[in-house]
Amino acid sequence: DAKTTQPPSMDCAEGRAANLPCNHSTISGNEYVYWYRQIHSQGPQYIIHGLKNNETNEMASLIITEDRKSSTLILPHATLRDTAVYYCIVRVAYNNNDMRFGAGTRLTVKP
Amino acid sequence: EPEVTQTPSHQVTQMGQEVILRCVPISNHLYFYWYRQILGQKVEFLVSFYNNEISEKSEIFDDQFSVERPDGSNFTLKIRSTKLEDSAMYFCASSNRGPYEQYFGPGTRLTVT
Repeated sequence: DAKTTQPPSMDCAEGRAANLPCNHSTISGNEYVYWYRQIHSQGPQYIIHGLKNNETNEMASLIITEDRKSSTLILPHATLRDTAVYYCIVRVAYNNNDMRFGAGTRLTVKP
Repeated sequence: EPEVTQTPSHQVTQMGQEVILRCVPISNHLYFYWYRQILGQKVEFLVSFYNNEISEKSEIFDDQFSVERPDGSNFTLKIRSTKLEDSAMYFCASSNRGPYEQYFGPGTRLTVT
């Protein structure tokens, strides 16, 4: 599986967009990019996933570069409740069922 | 909104005892998972379960661990002889689309003394 690199921590002002980067330069053509988050000690929460096209849902947008070597998760209007650890995971979808979590990015949204 | 539930929320047990952690996945989901998170460390995959059998397991999931779906609604993780290093938060997850969106429960904190 492709390895991902994320900054260990980031801050964001409440109401502003939070842009969380992820590098996955060794990604292969059949690997998806998944984003999860974990608020304090709660169970991880699925946010979004994509293969090569940009994706948007009610929580966030996922921008994947054309060469697929990096991606950005965008929380358009961050709130205090978005303070969490955000995980970028790259996995092949069809022959692996688990999510392998790394250290992630600790996002702190400040008032 | 349907959610994954887990019981108990906190389990304290003595070393060498057997524990069973219980999970009720979302009702129409077909894929089930257990993960664990030792305090301050990353979330680690233990096992995935589909069609009444284990589909994948990690190196952590050794012979002291077992999973079962006894009645079509519950999904359990049994640890036969607990060790101090089994102390962790255990998360159950389920999915109806395989490895895509997995929905996690709130976790069971296991403390082995």
